Parts: sequence; structure tokens; C-alpha cells
Amino acid sequence: QKEVEQDPGPLSVPEGAIVSLNCTYSNSAFQYFMWYRQYSRKGPELLMYTYSSGNKEDGRFTAQVDKSSKYISLFIRDSQPSDSATYLCAMRRMDSSYKLIFGSGTRLLVRP
Amino acid sequence: EADIYQTPRYLVIGTGKKITLECSQTMGHDKMYWYQQDPGMELHLIHYSYGVNSTEKGDLSSESTVSRIRTEHFPLTLESARPSHTSQYLCASSVTDNEAFFGQGTRLTVV
Repeated sequence: QKEVEQDPGPLSVPEGAIVSLNCTYSNSAFQYFMWYRQYSRKGPELLMYTYSSGNKEDGRFTAQVDKSSKYISLFIRDSQPSDSATYLCAMRRMDSSYKLIFGSGTRLLVRP
Repeated sequence: EADIYQTPRYLVIGTGKKITLECSQTMGHDKMYWYQQDPGMELHLIHYSYGVNSTEKGDLSSESTVSRIRTEHFPLTLESARPSHTSQYLCASSVTDNEAFFGQGTRLTVV
């Protein structure tokens, strides 16, 4: 069983919609949680990271962590066609400095 | 925008050839990484470096080797390419453990 599960999609939404992207994980030792965006044929780009539980907001993006449920979410408000990409979650334990565990990504398509 | 560069972007090569994938960053980051990514799959760490002359293997078994002679340069070498090495290879660098900057990737095809 994978440590991090992510629905591959594709998720298709109309422009302006609120998008919810999610990951579940099995290792309760994960403390740091990241969201990356990857456009086709490009490398991943860090959107934001959070530590432990709670919410973090950056512009149209909000990251949410629920450690009790082992569930993290990324919300995109007022989605734009330029948000069409694959979104990867990643996480790591506090004691494993460089070992990020990635989800396989959710492909998002925002229709004009 | 992150300044991390990978060359070549695309490479098609025959079985048994030796290849080196280049990765350079101009940000002065001590930490550098090589990941392997197959379509629709997770990124898997294959090599990590936390500074000059310091490298470690990642979780994914790999027949590649790396070197870190200069801070800005972290090449990956395959001594004898095989079709099973066909994949996308992503290089990254960081200051902290939570904010990695990725290059554009090298898409390798071994025929």
C-alpha cells in the first residue's frame, strides 16, 4: 500500500469554480505537508507548505491539514484556465530531512 | 523564478551507452536532489547531496551514480543505459527541506 494516496483525476471544472484537491496518508509521523503544481513537460513548482495541522492561505490557494484524519487538501478559489496542471502533494517526517514522499498527482482541467 | 537548469531536455540513446545528465543551479543551495518520475506516478528520490563531496542514495534503487564536486553542479551518470532506465529525471535544489526548486527535467528514452 502506498504511503500517500491521491486521486489521479482528471478533474474538470468550469472557470471560476472552487477546486478541492486531496491526499490521504497512512504514516502519522508526517509533520510537513507540501503542494506542488506541475505543468505538462515541466518540473514541479512549490505552491505552499504547512507544518502539522491547520490552514494556510496564499492568494487564491488554501492548504488544509487534518492530522487526525490523515487528510490534506488544497483549495483553489476562482479557478482559471492557467491553473490547469497536475497537482502533487508531498510530505515528510520531522526526522527525515530530505525524504519527501510524493503522491502521484491529480490532473486538473479548468474549462474557459 | 528558480535558477536551476537541466540538460539535455530530451535524450534518445541506444542500450549500453554511457550517459550523463547535467544539473546546475545558480542559487548557492547546499542541498540538491535527483528524482525519477514515470507518467502518472510519484516522484521517487534516487540521489541526495547535502553539500560538496557529500552524497547519499535515495529510496529508489538506481544504477546511476552522482558526484558533487562544486556546489552548483550535480551531474547524474548511467554507465550502461538500458530500456528500463527510460523515464523523466528531475533535479532539484533547496536551502530548507521544505522548499525545493525543480529544474525542467530530462526525458530519457533508451532504445
